[in-house]
This record gives sequence, C-alpha cells and structure tokens, in this order.
Amino acid sequence: EIVLTQSPGTLSLSPGERATLSCRASQSVSTTYVAWYQQKPGQAPRLLIYDASSRATGIPDRFSGSGSGTDFTLTISRLEPEDFAVYYCQHYASSMGYTFGLGTKLEIK
Amino acid sequence: QEQLVESGGDLVKPGGSLRLSCAASGFTFSDYYMIWFRQAPGKGLEWVSYISSSGSFTNYADSVKGRFTISRDNAKKSLYLQMNSLRAEDTAVYYCARTMVQGVLTPLDPWGHGTLVTVSS
Repeated sequence: EIVLTQSPGTLSLSPGERATLSCRASQSVSTTYVAWYQQKPGQAPRLLIYDASSRATGIPDRFSGSGSGTDFTLTISRLEPEDFAVYYCQHYASSMGYTFGLGTKLEIK
Repeated sequence: QEQLVESGGDLVKPGGSLRLSCAASGFTFSDYYMIWFRQAPGKGLEWVSYISSSGSFTNYADSVKGRFTISRDNAKKSLYLQMNSLRAEDTAVYYCARTMVQGVLTPLDPWGHGTLVTVSS
C-alpha cells in the first residue's frame, strides 16, 4: 500500500504570494499515476494536475506540478483569492484503487 | 455538458442498507470507468470502489469489501452503490466520479456534487 504524506498541513499566505505544496509517497511511483485536486468547502474536488505535471482542462497556468520518484510538488505561482482551498495529491493503480494524501489547507494570512 | 448527479443518501440505522445512484449525462457513459469516493465530515477523501466501463471488473477498498457492491446500467447511464451492514464510520458524503480518459483507470473528471449518508441510531 502506498501512503501519501502531504506537507504542510496548513499553509497561510497572502494573495499574490507563491504557494508550494509537497506530497511524498512511501515508495517510488510513476509520474503517470500522480494527480492533484482542489476542493472548496461544500464542493466536490476539482482535478488540477494529472501525470504529475500536466494541467487539466481549464486550469490556469499559475498552477504547476512537478516531481518524480517519491517527491511531488504543486506550485501556485501567484495566489488569487479563489485559490484558497484544500489541496489533495492522489496516486492510483488498478490493483490498489485510488489513494489520497490528507490534504493541505491553503488559508489567507 | 458532462454531468454526474448522485442521489439516495439518507439517515439509516447501523446494520441497515442503502442504495446510492449516480445519473450521468453529456457523455458516452459506457466508455468510461466509474468510481465512488466518500468524505467523512471534516475529513479527507477516501476511495470506495470502481467499476470498469463494461461492468466486468470491480475493485473495492478493504474498508467496504464484502459489504458494498458497485454496479452500473449502461443503457440507463447510471452507476449504483449498494451498501449493506452499514456502520457509523460509513457516515460521509459519497461522490461518484468518472475517469478522465475512456476505457482505463485515470484521474477523475468530472465529479458529482455528492450525497450524504448518515449512519446513526
């Protein structure tokens, strides 16, 4: 079983700042199977990044993903007010289904 | 417009049963794997089950294996989750979601809005 550890648990930043969110896997995984989601209160998750670094349809280019092996990063280059939310990294495999990290809450400082 | 709409959530007693439905529109339902997730109040996301596009292959999280059954009716463009022997820890918002790409397991897009299941006496 792959465990995803996200850090920090909470990140307090101001609009216009850069956000760097980390996701560490308990063992090396293929970038093909790593994704990031955004979830706002009362809403379903929204796919942001797939294949570790590809932006999903309609996602602004201030969102970017990177990483390989066990360490993956979601970067928001310049925070907009609507970006404050909870972010989850995800790994999937046919045998294990989908695994999520516990999330990083991005809050307004 | 691709859309998923869940229904069937309710308050049920421990040991009871419930059947969730997810109605799809705006895409060729039979081409995609479908997945159920859940999110307990104030908690993170948990995968529950997935089913292949034809319905011939299913997989379950250990936490629900033997109690929940996923199924689909491609003619009705609907996904189902039969939940038996419900426990308090099954209390959550249940989401259905579709794979991003046809015919294979991939990240999920779109998602439904969710339906609340509460297990309590």
